[in-house]
Amino acid sequence: GAGVSQSPSNKVTEKGKDVELRCDPISGHTALYWYRQSLGQGLEFLIYFQGNSAPDKSGLPSDRFSAERTGGSVSTLTIQRTQQEDSAVYLCASSLSRDHGYTFGSGTRLTVV
Amino acid sequence: GNSVTQMEGPVTLSEEAFLTINCTYTATGYPSLFWYVQYPGEGLQLLLKATKADDKGSNKGFEATYRKETTSFHLEKGSVQVSDSAVYFCALSEGSSASKIIFGSGTRLSIRP
Repeated sequence: GAGVSQSPSNKVTEKGKDVELRCDPISGHTALYWYRQSLGQGLEFLIYFQGNSAPDKSGLPSDRFSAERTGGSVSTLTIQRTQQEDSAVYLCASSLSRDHGYTFGSGTRLTVV
Repeated sequence: GNSVTQMEGPVTLSEEAFLTINCTYTATGYPSLFWYVQYPGEGLQLLLKATKADDKGSNKGFEATYRKETTSFHLEKGSVQVSDSAVYFCALSEGSSASKIIFGSGTRLSIRP
């Protein structure tokens, strides 16, 4: 597609429920990234994919967080047993290479109540 | 480890003032450097980039020069406008191929008419 697409754009969930966030990168972009931006904070790296593999998962905050990417395209970030501190905007980005820069989606705003 | 340190905000200027937002980095190897901008209610957008020492990135009147000797990538604009009000993020990326981006904490800029 023309840009990085994320869905849903907003999600309100009850504490303890599982959520799935989707990212559809730009066609042909082999690298895909997930970041988290909490209110008034900077961007926290979560995980990075090159193709379908994840060379760097160092940013996942706990084992409640997982992500997968299939077909070198769409990625899903899953948060199990959500907690209130998980409330944030989850951003996805894709890239051809580091020198091309990174294109971000509009994000999914997750609110855990 | 790699890191980015940028000027804390908020920064408030009058229209047509000169802008500098400082950014310094720590990295092994030869990173690419970026400035991203986040306008109110919008997603992150790449503003400019530089991929090697002494390169100057420029866009929309903004400039930043990759200074290896001072490990800096300061953002400048000669005459700011109200429409430049946004949060600005300095970032770096290392590696021979796509790798994770490390962001600074962001600087909120407000321009008074």
